[in-house]
Amino acid sequence: GAGVSQSPRYKVAKRGQDVALRCDPISGHVSLFWYQQALGQGPEFLTYFQNEAQLDKSGLPSDRFFAERPEGSVSTLKIQRTQQEDSAVYLCASSFLTSQGNTIYFGEGSWLTVV
Amino acid sequence: AQSVTQLDSQVPVFEEAPVELRCNYSSSVSVYLFWYVQYPNQGLQLLLKYLSGSTLVKGINGFEAEFNKSQTSFHLRKPSVHISDTAEYFCAVTSGGTDKLIFGTGTRLQVFP
Repeated sequence: GAGVSQSPRYKVAKRGQDVALRCDPISGHVSLFWYQQALGQGPEFLTYFQNEAQLDKSGLPSDRFFAERPEGSVSTLKIQRTQQEDSAVYLCASSFLTSQGNTIYFGEGSWLTVV
Repeated sequence: AQSVTQLDSQVPVFEEAPVELRCNYSSSVSVYLFWYVQYPNQGLQLLLKYLSGSTLVKGINGFEAEFNKSQTSFHLRKPSVHISDTAEYFCAVTSGGTDKLIFGTGTRLQVFP
């Protein structure tokens, strides 16, 4: 596709349930990012991949959060034993190059509500 | 650590009036600066970015921003807004050789007819 694609767009999970959020970056993009955006807040960095390598996971809030990009294209963000505070929009973004200053393209986000 | 401050959480303005959305950053190293726009239920779209060179940067939809190193600011301006400019605007910064964006808390621009 032409842009970053995320699925599902909307997810309602019961507290304690595991969820998996998928991101299809723009074809050929080397860098992939995950961000978390709580209601009324700016996006906050979660993790970064360069191809299949996870180079930075400093933003993952707990060990319940796990991300992978095994073949250097599609990525999955998994949240185990979801809690209410995990309710947020999860944004995926990608860029073609790895050097600073590149244009980063965002998907429309996966809206997670934990009840 | 880098941080971005957007002092105005909401900016109401009438159509065709000028607008300025303020952004200040905090970093001890050279930075790259960005403005993104987020329309309701949509992802973030890049408006403009400053990497180097001229401090006045022009972006899409008639927006421009000026990088001011001495004041550590990167305010966004538009001389005449439209109803369709109603959205959330985020200022962001990267530094340290990575593309990791640090965002401000956003400013909601509400344009009234």
